[in-house]
Amino acid sequence: QKEVEQNSGPLSVPEGAIASLNCTYSDRGSQSFFWYRQYSGKSPELIMFIYSNGDKEDGRFTAQLNKASQYVSLLIRDSQPSDSATYLCAVSPGANSKLTFGKGITLSVRP
Amino acid sequence: GAGVSQSPSNKVTEKGKDVELRCDPISGHTALYWYRQSLGQGLEFLIYFQGNSAPDKSGLPSDRFSAERTGGSVSTLTIQRTQQEDSAVYLCASRQRGGGETQYFGPGTRLLVL
Repeated sequence: QKEVEQNSGPLSVPEGAIASLNCTYSDRGSQSFFWYRQYSGKSPELIMFIYSNGDKEDGRFTAQLNKASQYVSLLIRDSQPSDSATYLCAVSPGANSKLTFGKGITLSVRP
Repeated sequence: GAGVSQSPSNKVTEKGKDVELRCDPISGHTALYWYRQSLGQGLEFLIYFQGNSAPDKSGLPSDRFSAERTGGSVSTLTIQRTQQEDSAVYLCASRQRGGGETQYFGPGTRLLVL
């Protein structure tokens, strides 16, 4: 059973702080890693994807991947109340394949 | 441009009835996925269509579930003899050929089986 595990939540941070969301996966053959954001009652939307070890930055978001440790994380800098949502980690073995999702972690940014 | 659309947005049915859920992918997207999200759970993969290839049905939870994709575009997910545990949000996603791994999700169909 290929699994994707996320920290149990919820996670609460004050506005302006860094939010750190973590994810581990069991399938060493995984090649593609995604973070989706899902607002309550809405469908998931892609925030970041990362394929290579290291960091990938996009605005206030940084994805970090460590394939040796089977670990992927998402850092949100200068957190805003509008970042309050559930964040889903997803993993894929590669091209033309399904995504395996974690259960998600709910982030709450306090004004 | 238009995104992935799904219909109906909400469906309430009685246990034992059949339901059909529809997905219109983004125009030109060759890959189409169905997922299910139960309350407080992550997304569970159901089935995946890629072009004319045989679909990956490995996520379908039982033989009551089936899906088809006509003309390489619209897809219908059918649940026969619905059970209360089928209540969930059913999400469709599409992906563009050569567009990397990014899947774009539709708004979902909220199914409630009474």
